[in-house]
Formats: sequence, C-alpha cells, structure tokens
Amino acid sequence: DPKIIQKPKYLVAVTGSEKILICEQYLGHNAMYWYRQSAKKPLEFMFSYSYQKLMDNQTASSRFQPQSSKKNHLDLQITALKPDDSATYFCASSQQGGNTGQLYFGEGSKLTVL
Amino acid sequence: QQKVQQSPESLSVPEGGMASLNCTSSDRNFQYFWWYRQHSGEGPKALMSIFSDGDKKEGRFTAHLNKASLHVSLHIRDSQPSDSALYFCAATLLSGSFNKLTFGAGTRLAVCP
Repeated sequence: DPKIIQKPKYLVAVTGSEKILICEQYLGHNAMYWYRQSAKKPLEFMFSYSYQKLMDNQTASSRFQPQSSKKNHLDLQITALKPDDSATYFCASSQQGGNTGQLYFGEGSKLTVL
Repeated sequence: QQKVQQSPESLSVPEGGMASLNCTSSDRNFQYFWWYRQHSGEGPKALMSIFSDGDKKEGRFTAHLNKASLHVSLHIRDSQPSDSALYFCAATLLSGSFNKLTFGAGTRLAVCP
C-alpha cells in the first residue's frame, strides 16, 4: 500500500486556471516537502514543512502556495497556471528535519497546462 | 551550469554486468550525497547516502566519494533487469538546509537480459 498518497495522478488545466494538488502521508513523519520534475529541469526542491510550519521556500512565484491542514497533509495550490508549470509534482516526507534524513516520495501528480 | 552533474546520460549493461554511474558537484558546500532510483511511473526511492571519503557498500550497490574532487560514483554489480531505471545523484549541505536536495539530471540505466 502506498504510504504517501497524491491526488490526482494526472490533471489537465487551461492557462490562467487554478488547481490544488493533494498529498497525505501515513508514515508518521514530521517533515513534508514538494519537489517538481519537468522535461526541462532536474528534480527541483520547492518547499519544506516541519510540524505544519514552513521551513524553506525555493519557489520564486507566489502563485505556488502550500497548505497544511494537518501534520500529515501538505497540499499545493497553484494559481494563474502557465504552460511552463507543466511538470510532475512530487510530495515527499522524512522522519526528521535537518539535512540527512532520507526522503520518501509519492508517485507524483502530473500536471499539463494547455 | 547545474551544481550537480551526472554522467553518462544513459548506460546499457548486460544482465549480470557492472554498471558505473558518476556524479560531480561544483559546489563545495555540498558535503552529503544521496543516490536515488526512479522506475517509470513512480516516485524516486532512496538507495543510499554517503558523506565520508571512500567506499560504502549496501548489497550489490557500492558508492564511492572523493571529497577533494567532490566526485561520487555508484557501482551496481550483478545488474538485474529490475535495476533498469533513472538514477539520480542528489547533494545537500551537512547542516542548515532542511533536506533541500539538489538533484542531477539523472542517468538512465538499461539492463539487457
């Protein structure tokens, strides 16, 4: 059974619209993350959260807003979508913060913006 | 220029053979390295980490780190078709970055039966 659930697995959006990517982890971890993988760039860090508190934000645009309603939830709201936002978005978690904790990734949500 | 560079881009080895993947960091602040593997349609999965000079072995996988040159390699012996995947090298600081990994572009490994 997958321990990190991401929904939806695939989604198509039109330019200018808004989407929310859902992530729930059942590993009992305290830290959660969002990473993005596109055809143009390697897997890249976006956000890190610990105990529902934002720890680091590497996303320049305010169009990307993480939302944590529970310790094991970290959703990602993306507004004013652009074709360049097309990518697979991976949610991840770790048992501890710091730098050396192993990351566990979900299966991703593949977003296509037309 | 990417801070973590991997080579080769793709690699094909026969079943039972040895696969060798390379990774170099251009940022001397990166002191902790991970190897991740991603099968098609799945998320990346951690294979092993290394931060000390020398070799680290886990089963069929051996990582080697040369801190002076910031070069990391991964060697897979007795390669199996199930090892066919995209392999990423990832680097991070020893402290202060809260698991912010910087990934390379990956090496695609194909193990041919």
